[in-house]
Amino acid sequence: RKEVEQDPGPFNVPEGATVAFNCTYSNSASQSFFWYRQDCRKEPKLLMSVYSSGNEDGRFTAQLNRASQYISLLIRDSKLSDSATYLCVVNPGWDMGRRALTFGSGTRLQVQP
Amino acid sequence: NAGVTQTPKFQVLKTGQSMTLQCAQDMNHNSMYWYRQDPGMGLRLIYYSASEGTTDKGEVPNGYNVSRLNKREFSLRLESAAPSQTSVYFCASSELDRGNTEAFFGQGTRLTVV
Repeated sequence: RKEVEQDPGPFNVPEGATVAFNCTYSNSASQSFFWYRQDCRKEPKLLMSVYSSGNEDGRFTAQLNRASQYISLLIRDSKLSDSATYLCVVNPGWDMGRRALTFGSGTRLQVQP
Repeated sequence: NAGVTQTPKFQVLKTGQSMTLQCAQDMNHNSMYWYRQDPGMGLRLIYYSASEGTTDKGEVPNGYNVSRLNKREFSLRLESAAPSQTSVYFCASSELDRGNTEAFFGQGTRLTVV
């Protein structure tokens, strides 16, 4: 089982739609969680951190469910510029024997006019 | 503020050749990483350095070596390149020990081994 699993998509949605991505992680002791965005052939960049209480940044809402070990990202009122690959990222902490971020394979979003 | 700088951006190697990918960060981060990304896959950790003077293997270390030259610089070496090492390589730095901190990435090196 992969440490971080995501639906690869692609998710093809019209402008203005609401779209949600989920991600599951295998290590219950993981310390922190993030969503990164990666545009085609570019480096990943932090979109937002994910907290147990849920957090919102404009049209983006992230949630963490530690009991079920999943993370979600909700994008409201999709824009063409939201088209990208969204990477679910977990900091496993020392429990996995290494101190480095673990990345999911990414979910590709294509917003269409 | 340059952030994380990787060189070169593109490289073509013949099987068996060697090369070193260079990475430097100017954010005074303790932790640095090398990842590779293959088509349709996420980033896989090759090696990381939690602090100056230490390096550790990640998920896919075979065929690679690293050097943490100082706090700023972390290089990745391919001693004898193989076609399976064709990939995009990303260097990153962060301060993971300080809670929810961001990892910053270089622009990537696109390596083709023929």
